[in-house]
Parts: sequence; structure tokens; C-alpha cells
Amino acid sequence: DGGITQSPKYLFRKEGQNVTLSCEQNLNHDAMYWYRQDPGQGLRLIYYSQIVNDFQKGDIAEGYSVSREKKESFPLTVTSAQKNPTAFYLCASSPVSGSMSSYEQYFGPGTRLTVT
Amino acid sequence: AQKITQTQPGMFVQEKEAVTLDCTYDTSDPSYGLFWYKQPSSGEMIFLIYQGSYDQQNATEGRYSLNFQKARKSANLVISASQLGDSAMYFCAMREPPNAGGTSYGKLTFGQGTILTVHP
Repeated sequence: DGGITQSPKYLFRKEGQNVTLSCEQNLNHDAMYWYRQDPGQGLRLIYYSQIVNDFQKGDIAEGYSVSREKKESFPLTVTSAQKNPTAFYLCASSPVSGSMSSYEQYFGPGTRLTVT
Repeated sequence: AQKITQTQPGMFVQEKEAVTLDCTYDTSDPSYGLFWYKQPSSGEMIFLIYQGSYDQQNATEGRYSLNFQKARKSANLVISASQLGDSAMYFCAMREPPNAGGTSYGKLTFGQGTILTVHP
């Protein structure tokens, strides 16, 4: 079945360590996105990519980095520069579309990162 | 300024009754899309319904309908015949118009969400 996988579901790290969150999709979507969600809050865009080897900063990119070497993969690295990394991270993908497109973003199951 | 506003942090509804979740948005562009997502306690995001700014009729998908009032910039979600499984967080989102460089196609801006609790 087509979909988005994120691994692992739960991740624990010590403060000061970089950590990479995996996101893979087999939907043949060009666009991929990373969101952060804090408890009781909405989703905030970290990075997005609309084509291989290209990506754009979202609203809260500081302390994060991404790569897009393959269409199917969009890993997110949470660096030690991110001051409050503990959060729920969601990856999404969609066809590249204009503002009027009805194509929704498909989401992965998310990764809960805890940094102590 | 917030582009998407959901003013109801929490809502309660009796099973089998209808409930309306509010969403207002802010944009000066005539072309935009509005989405509603459901997020159960498991964390997954489930797409519910879409409304385009030029759509003449309000969108409907099963028990979900969207009360789209363009002049008031509101896109309220109506859930009819609530079920216990409807208890979840609900998010309104807007697909942004492209920026000057045309790199922002497909971006969604989300509201803060409304927690819906359905009582038996």
C-alpha cells in the first residue's frame, strides 16, 4: 500500500546530540514537508521541498537541517542548536500544486522526540 | 497576524447531535484552498474535507460539511450525527497563495486546533 513511513515512533536523546528523523514515501509525490507540533498546539512548518535537491525554510527552521537526495526520502536532522527539541514531528507529502489545488497533504504517523 | 484562527480550544457534544467547529482565515488573495484535518490521540493526521475559494457550493463529505462564508472569511466544519470516534483534535488549514518567487505552492498554514469530546 502507498503511504508515508516515519521511524522510529518514539525517540529519546541526550541534550547536545544531533538526531535524524526518517521520512519515506512511496506515493510518487514531488513535495514533502516537515512539521513540528507541541502539546495542545497546531502544526508549524519546519522545512519543505518541492523537488529533489531543493528545499525551503519554513517558519521555524532554526536548529534543523534537511536533505532531499531522493524523491522518496526527506530526512530531518534536529541539531544541538535547537533549543527546545522535544516535540512531535510529522512528515507529509503531496503532489506539487497551486494554491487552488484540492490535493491534500498526506501525513506519516509521526515521531515523538524526547530530549533530556 | 494569524492567518488561521480557531477560537474554540475545546468543544463538547452529545452523541448523535451535530456540532460546528469554527475557523476564520485571513488572506488578500482571491485564490486559496481550505482544509480540515482530524487528529486522534494516536497523532496521525486524517484529511476530512476541502473547500476551494471559487467553489460555488459548500463542500460535503459524508457526515462532514463545510459552512463556507467567503465574505466573512469563515470556513466552519459541521459534523452531523456525532459518534464517539469523532473525539479528537480538529485542525483548519489554508493553502497559501504562492509568494513572489513562486516557491510556496502547496504550503499549508494550520490553526491552533479544537479538541472535540463526544459524550455518550
